[in-house]
Amino acid sequence: GAVVSQHPSWVICKSGTSVKIECRSLDFQATTMFWYRQFPKQSLMLMATSNEGSKATYEQGVEKDKFLINHASLTLSTLTVTSAHPEDSSFYICSARRTGTLSGNTIYFGEGSWLTVV
Amino acid sequence: AQKITQTQPGMFVQEKEAVTLDCTYDTSDPSYGLFWYKQPSSGEMIFLIYQGSYDQQNATEGRYSLNFQKARKSANLVISASQLGDSAMYFCAMREEGGADGLTFGKGTHLIIQP
Repeated sequence: GAVVSQHPSWVICKSGTSVKIECRSLDFQATTMFWYRQFPKQSLMLMATSNEGSKATYEQGVEKDKFLINHASLTLSTLTVTSAHPEDSSFYICSARRTGTLSGNTIYFGEGSWLTVV
Repeated sequence: AQKITQTQPGMFVQEKEAVTLDCTYDTSDPSYGLFWYKQPSSGEMIFLIYQGSYDQQNATEGRYSLNFQKARKSANLVISASQLGDSAMYFCAMREEGGADGLTFGKGTHLIIQP
């Protein structure tokens, strides 16, 4: 079963409004979570690293005031797209790494969230 | 320069044949990990296989194996006995130990298995 859960799977919002996407680690604590964006037929691009109890680290070119990230607990990170515009329509997906030794099966992805801004 | 290069935008393969998906990477970090993910049309990222830079043997997971050639900086995914359900996007990704924890992805290969 899923170990990282994302909600909502689909969201349609009006231009100018804000939308929040949640990413939860279900059976482990994740001090770090990651948010990616994927445009149609393109690859995943890392947007930001969400750090529990501290500010997120944003990749170059990603507006931190537009994509607000909150990692208030060890199992939950949220991404809020503020004042959304149609160009923000995309597939947003989070991942979390189970702390400890790195191996392939300790990086888990959520199911992803399809955002459409109309 | 791209850190992960997947040179095959799309591939058509006959069912039951083996298929190799290419991936080359670029890093100066001596410690890194390489990943392959499958992404069906639903969007979820399904982990397939992992290879650490210090692993002596090529990784294998069921029908998936990773042909790791460190000197060439290549990490090709081999799928044996392909099945119709293998049709999907496949992404190669890398994590550098000295960098952030986030993964750097290639552009992907769209694999279509034909009956």
